[in-house]
Amino acid sequence: EVQLVQSGGGLVQPGGSLRLSCATSGFIFSNSDMGWVRQAPGKGLEWLSSLSVSDDSTLYADSVKGRFTISGDNSKNTLYLHISGLRPEDTAVYFCTKLGCGGANCHYYFDVWGQGTLVTVSS
Amino acid sequence: EIVLTQTPHSLSVTPGQPASISCKTSQSLVFPADGQTYLYWYLQKPGQPPKLLLYEAFHRFSGVPDRFSGSGSGTAFTLKISRVEAEDVGIYFCMQSLQLPLTFGGGTKVEI
Repeated sequence: EVQLVQSGGGLVQPGGSLRLSCATSGFIFSNSDMGWVRQAPGKGLEWLSSLSVSDDSTLYADSVKGRFTISGDNSKNTLYLHISGLRPEDTAVYFCTKLGCGGANCHYYFDVWGQGTLVTVSS
Repeated sequence: EIVLTQTPHSLSVTPGQPASISCKTSQSLVFPADGQTYLYWYLQKPGQPPKLLLYEAFHRFSGVPDRFSGSGSGTAFTLKISRVEAEDVGIYFCMQSLQLPLTFGGGTKVEI
């Protein structure tokens, strides 16, 4: 069974940094594509970033480019999201996702989700 | 970016009755190179992460009951529940993966 278990959220002051973790099991992490999505309180879903673990290629939404860094550790089968320069508008539940790949050109979609972790940015 | 507009915003349903949700997109989600439509439907039950229901507009994901179906093409799509059950409550989202950034509709809250 595919499982994504998240950790690392919490209360952070504006301007601070945080690292979110996503421990995976039930599939071959080193050959997978992974991503992060967030959901602000009472709001919709926002794709943030994706990582192709096999070649370390990354993609970012414009809204987080330069402040968020996605990475993976094959030895620990774990995905990370490092967030810096946190702003109050970054307050959200952050979801780790495993990506599926549709079509020959690999159109990503989210096929399995972690339980989510709340990040609150406030002084 | 591609904008997805869902209607209605909320829906009150009676168990055993059908329900449908619309998702309209700002541009066609058909990828010309392969003719596939990159539209997905998710259900987020209260207190849980979203779960994939349908992929590429009308294919049911593993384990999804056959009372869920998807239809539409181009820029207009519909999720239908043939007979709503109590466990179907939650927020339904459509999502596109034709192009980056991946974007979601605003959601439709389904209540019994």
